[in-house]
Amino acid sequence: KQEVTQIPAALSVPEGENLVLNCSFTDSAIYNLQWFRQDPGKGLTSLLLIQSSQREQTSGRLNASLDKSSGRSTLYIAASQPGDSATYLCAVGFMDSNYQLIWGAGTKLIIKP
Amino acid sequence: GAGVSQTPSNKVTEKGKYVELRCDPISGHTALYWYRQSLGQGPEFLIYFQGTGAADDSGLPNDRFFAVRPEGSVSTLKIQRTERGDSAVYLCASSLTPAETQYFGPGTRLLVL
Repeated sequence: KQEVTQIPAALSVPEGENLVLNCSFTDSAIYNLQWFRQDPGKGLTSLLLIQSSQREQTSGRLNASLDKSSGRSTLYIAASQPGDSATYLCAVGFMDSNYQLIWGAGTKLIIKP
Repeated sequence: GAGVSQTPSNKVTEKGKYVELRCDPISGHTALYWYRQSLGQGPEFLIYFQGTGAADDSGLPNDRFFAVRPEGSVSTLKIQRTERGDSAVYLCASSLTPAETQYFGPGTRLLVL
């Protein structure tokens, strides 16, 4: 069974720190991986999409890396701000999953002013 | 056009009733997905449409759930004989083609009393 795991479940850091969120998946045969942000009571906002042929993607203070062989992705957030507080979800498109995304449970991030 | 929209935003119903949830995808997006999210968990895949046809309905939990997309645009998720366990946020996403970024609507929060 294909699974996606995110550790830690929750993280609290002071404003200004750089931080890393982790995502691991059980099958290296993927076609892409996406990182999403979800604010309380809100929908999902796509942050970064990494295709299977790519190693990383960057958008502003965010950088996502992908290592298929080890089944890992990281989301790096530089110079964190209170507005970054949200739940971050990793979703993986596995080759044999017919384009459905398999999701981690998310990491709840709190940035303390 | 605008992003993915979903109606209603909230729905409260009684056990045993029938409900319909609507999704308006981004114009021109051929792929449409329904997910369900329970509190504190990542979304769970329900069904994926490519055009008018359901390409993968393996995530529908039982035969009380049904979804249509008759003209390849708007989709309706239908739940018969609702049960309290159906309470969740139902999310809809669309993408230009499969394997591209999925864009999510704000969700419909369903509460079955």
